[in-house]
Amino acid sequence: GDSVTQMEGPVTLSEEAFLTINCTYTATGYPSLFWYVQYPGEGLQLLLKATKADDKGSNKGFEATYRKETTSFHLEKGSVQVSDSAVYFCAFFSGGSNYKLTFGKGTLLTVNP
Amino acid sequence: ETGVTQSPTHLIKTRGQQVTLRCSSQSGHNTVSWYQQALGQGPQFIFQYYREEENGRGNFPPRFSGLQFPNYSSELNVNALELDDSALYLCASSSQAGVDYEQYFGPGTRLTVT
Repeated sequence: GDSVTQMEGPVTLSEEAFLTINCTYTATGYPSLFWYVQYPGEGLQLLLKATKADDKGSNKGFEATYRKETTSFHLEKGSVQVSDSAVYFCAFFSGGSNYKLTFGKGTLLTVNP
Repeated sequence: ETGVTQSPTHLIKTRGQQVTLRCSSQSGHNTVSWYQQALGQGPQFIFQYYREEENGRGNFPPRFSGLQFPNYSSELNVNALELDDSALYLCASSSQAGVDYEQYFGPGTRLTVT
């Protein structure tokens, strides 16, 4: 069935370090891919998205490229900040007409000064 | 433009009770989806409402039910609460009128069942 596998956390980095959070998916058809971020005590915010193969989504210095051949959508940032500390969720729209999101379990990122 | 709002923020109920959670969709959105996020897990799709009708359901029992109103706001009702129903309940609104199916999430309602 449809599923998302994310890199297990927690991930702890120093400020200005390079970030990669791996994400692979199993889906029927040709899904749209998303990264959402959840700051402590808040709901989910869309970070970036990609809707077709080789598309690169980007926002706030974060990037992810839709790799159809490896069914992956890894999140990267060249230089993290303390304010990036949050939980990151990889997700995709499942098949069918209701456009429900299937999420990974999330990766907790902590950035230390 | 007003974003997605949810009420209440927090709720404590006893096992066996019933609860109603509310969601106001973002202006211009006609679709509302509900998700359950257990502690340390990703959100799980409960169901979606489009133009006041259920438009898809996840793997949740019938005691989870919902409504959508003419102004596109929505309710999630859970009967016969169980301890495992303790979670953050997220509402997301979107528009199916165009090609942008992005879902915009509210801050959630934290339900604790004791």
